[in-house]
Amino acid sequence: EAQVTQNPRYLITVTGKKLTVTCSQNMNHEYMSWYRQDPGLGLRQIYYSMNVEVTDKGDVPEGYKVSRKEKRNFPLILESPSPNQTSLYFCASSPGEPNSPLHFGNGTRLTVT
Amino acid sequence: AQSVAQPEDQVNVAEGNPLTVKCTYSVSGNPYLFWYVQYPNRGLQFLLKYITGDNLVKGSYGFEAEFNKSQTSFHLKKPSALVSDSALYFCAVKERWGNNRLAFGKGNQVVVIP
Repeated sequence: EAQVTQNPRYLITVTGKKLTVTCSQNMNHEYMSWYRQDPGLGLRQIYYSMNVEVTDKGDVPEGYKVSRKEKRNFPLILESPSPNQTSLYFCASSPGEPNSPLHFGNGTRLTVT
Repeated sequence: AQSVAQPEDQVNVAEGNPLTVKCTYSVSGNPYLFWYVQYPNRGLQFLLKYITGDNLVKGSYGFEAEFNKSQTSFHLKKPSALVSDSALYFCAVKERWGNNRLAFGKGNQVVVIP
């Protein structure tokens, strides 16, 4: 089944403790992206990657890192999480053409205390 | 930079009645426009998109959307709402010849009342 898989689905952590949220897609998509969803703000893009070894900042990149060493994987790294990063995170992928729709994972709900 | 406005926080509609979810956009040049739906505890699912051509676009689950260039709108419609249509709906826009950034609206909660 074609899908975008995120892990974990739920994560509770403390301020400053490094964490990684994994994202993997099995559709051979060129483009991958991370979004955070907050009430009243919709989805805001954190980072995106047009292809392997190519990443770029989105609208809200502060406090996050990403890497794209393989086509299928695009992990999101929080080196020193803070409470304002408590949010619902989504990974998405697409073939890469501008009019291609995104395929989303099921989300990771992160709570930072 | 491109942006989307979804003016209503929540749309309440009786089952069987027509459903409309409003979206207006701002973009340089011609847009690509998308609608996504989010069910509880799930990621967003693609519903339909406008690329070019016919202003009325048909998508999944009986939904359609009408592109209106003069009003910069892309309203989502369904002739007869189902209780199962209750979900969060997002409109999104991308510049046709600019960056590859997809800008989302804040979303509209649709509640279909039995």
